[in-house]
Amino acid sequence: NAGVTQTPKFQVLKTGQSMTLQCAQDMNHEYMSWYRQDPGMGLRLIHYSVGAGITDQGEVPNGYNVSRSTTEDFPLRLLSAAPSQTSVYFCASSYTRGTGNTGELFFGEGSRLTVL
Amino acid sequence: AQSVAQPEDQVNVAEGNPLTVKCTYSVSGNPYLFWYVQYPNRGLQFLLKYITGDNLVKGSYGFEAEFNKSQTSFHLKKPSALVSDSALYFCAVRDTSNTDKLIFGTGTRLQVFP
Repeated sequence: NAGVTQTPKFQVLKTGQSMTLQCAQDMNHEYMSWYRQDPGMGLRLIHYSVGAGITDQGEVPNGYNVSRSTTEDFPLRLLSAAPSQTSVYFCASSYTRGTGNTGELFFGEGSRLTVL
Repeated sequence: AQSVAQPEDQVNVAEGNPLTVKCTYSVSGNPYLFWYVQYPNRGLQFLLKYITGDNLVKGSYGFEAEFNKSQTSFHLKKPSALVSDSALYFCAVRDTSNTDKLIFGTGTRLQVFP
């Protein structure tokens, strides 16, 4: 039972470098999303996708890009990393979207990113 | 703006005592409310949800939550705390203006002492 798999678990970047956080789910979920978790801020939605070929912005999308070419994968790209992007990133998925979304998100284990 | 508030950063309770973790919400329309738990160095796990119906909902690991519409609250409770319940707890509400989004609170750290 793989569920939601995130890689890498840890990453250190220098300011200006780029990288991609990978997320894959094997549950055939339509809905996938990326959150960042910061102390005292809770979880904030970065981007989400309601199906292959469809993405939309969340609460804090600046500095991040996403794509959804398959149902299984939802990578998050940092094009030019900044220290403000130091955070723990979580990918989450769920069975349904919209009014059918009852909110039972399945989370990955997280990716801890440090930008120097 | 729609929001969720968790007024306590940390809750301390002795093992065997009842526990309450507080959550209040602000949304337009009927709320869909959730509790998630995060153990150290892990992702969040779904605990329970309120969609409609009985105001007292039961979830995983013996937890329950009480929906109170007049007080706009959804407090998490457990009759007898365990040391293993120590974790970070998040309340969340579905955004009624965009039902593809969940709005999370800032989290409450529960510490259960032996």
